[in-house]
Amino acid sequence: SQTIHQWPATLVQPVGSPLSLECTVEGTSNPNLYWYRQAAGRGLQLLFYSVGIGQISSEVPQNLSASRPQDRQFILSSKKLLLSDSGFYLCAWSGQGAGGYTFGSGTRLTVV
Amino acid sequence: DAKTTQPPSMDCAEGRAANLPCNHSTISGNEYVYWYRQIHSQGPQYIIHGLKNNETNEMASLIITEDRKSSTLILPHATLRDTAVYYCIASGAGGTSYGKLTFGQGTILTVHP
Repeated sequence: SQTIHQWPATLVQPVGSPLSLECTVEGTSNPNLYWYRQAAGRGLQLLFYSVGIGQISSEVPQNLSASRPQDRQFILSSKKLLLSDSGFYLCAWSGQGAGGYTFGSGTRLTVV
Repeated sequence: DAKTTQPPSMDCAEGRAANLPCNHSTISGNEYVYWYRQIHSQGPQYIIHGLKNNETNEMASLIITEDRKSSTLILPHATLRDTAVYYCIASGAGGTSYGKLTFGQGTILTVHP
């Protein structure tokens, strides 16, 4: 069966520090991968999506970047965190058909 | 993705059916209707999706009108654990540039004893 792993679960980072969040998927190949962010009390915002290795599409201009070095690995990064980067970060995957997304358990990031 | 409209909140008594409406009047022919829910502090959970026909699975039923301009998610016997934000999304299939899910504000469903 397919599983998605996301870590860490919580993270507190100072302003100006770098960030690296990792997401991996097991049990499937060539998944579509997504990074979402949910600010406190707000809806989910799509940040990046990827349909293949090295293929990244950005949805909104921001202080973050994403990379997909392997088929089932998706990384969210920042060189210097801002206070506004705080939020709940969720990774998700989907197949090529019409089936739904599967979300990871999320990382709650607090920038202080 | 087509825009969807949902009521901001609904209440339901435990054990009764919860019927959550969604309007998607601008949905295109190749867009599916997806339903997800998000329980507090967790990632969204896929519930069900459909294109034209009504669908049922172990979690819920999805009723889509013939003109596809609206749909209803039915939780047949709501429990307290069904309290969550429910999102209705119209989107194309995965693997395409339009297969990205755009989440709105959803409906906060509160199931009370």
